Amino acid sequence: DTGVSQNPRHKITKRGQNVTFRCDPISEHNRLYWYRQTLGQGPEFLTYFQNEAQLEKSRLLSDRFSAERPKGSFSTLEIQRTEQGDSAMYLCASSPLAGSYEQYFGPGTRLTVT
Amino acid sequence: DQQVKQNSPSLSVQEGRISILNCDYTNSMFDYFLWYKKYPAEGPTFLISISSIKDKNEDGRFTVFLNKSAKHLSLHIVPSQPGDSAVYFCAAPGQYGGSQGNLIFGKGTKLSVKP
Repeated sequence: DTGVSQNPRHKITKRGQNVTFRCDPISEHNRLYWYRQTLGQGPEFLTYFQNEAQLEKSRLLSDRFSAERPKGSFSTLEIQRTEQGDSAMYLCASSPLAGSYEQYFGPGTRLTVT
Repeated sequence: DQQVKQNSPSLSVQEGRISILNCDYTNSMFDYFLWYKKYPAEGPTFLISISSIKDKNEDGRFTVFLNKSAKHLSLHIVPSQPGDSAVYFCAAPGQYGGSQGNLIFGKGTKLSVKP
């Protein structure tokens, strides 16, 4: 299967700990996006990469959050000093550089901060 | 402020009947719209899209209608099947990244199709 994969699928952590999530996009896709989804809401944009360059970050991405895509392939999203408000589903999506607006989503990582 | 609004949190229909899911938007600069379907424990899956130069796009049982003057679009599913039970999100490309930036999603409508 060559879809978008995310690891881990679930993460439970204590407040104040750091967590890191990984996303492997569809191999030929140049663009990679991170979204966050909380209960009763649609996915909300966090940041995106074109190849290894991080081109945009939303206001939701506080300085405790950092994302990387070092070789233009997989990406990591790190949250430092987690807070209970960080509990959410973190979704990764990818899309080809040229073409339609469609983005292809992974299954997400569900983070629970206790 | 929500630029993409789905005002019905849930919808229940009988198998074989039509399901109509609605979406309103406030930004007149939006020129493309997408519908995604999401099952529990899975990521959203692209369903169908429409460009603002069209007022209708059809793909099998799924049809999306766009009314630009009303800033309204709707997704019709005919006939509805129990496997269509999922959360449906309306989305539009946002301001980041030019022509292929982020997507702005509505809050979703949970569709339940009863056998």
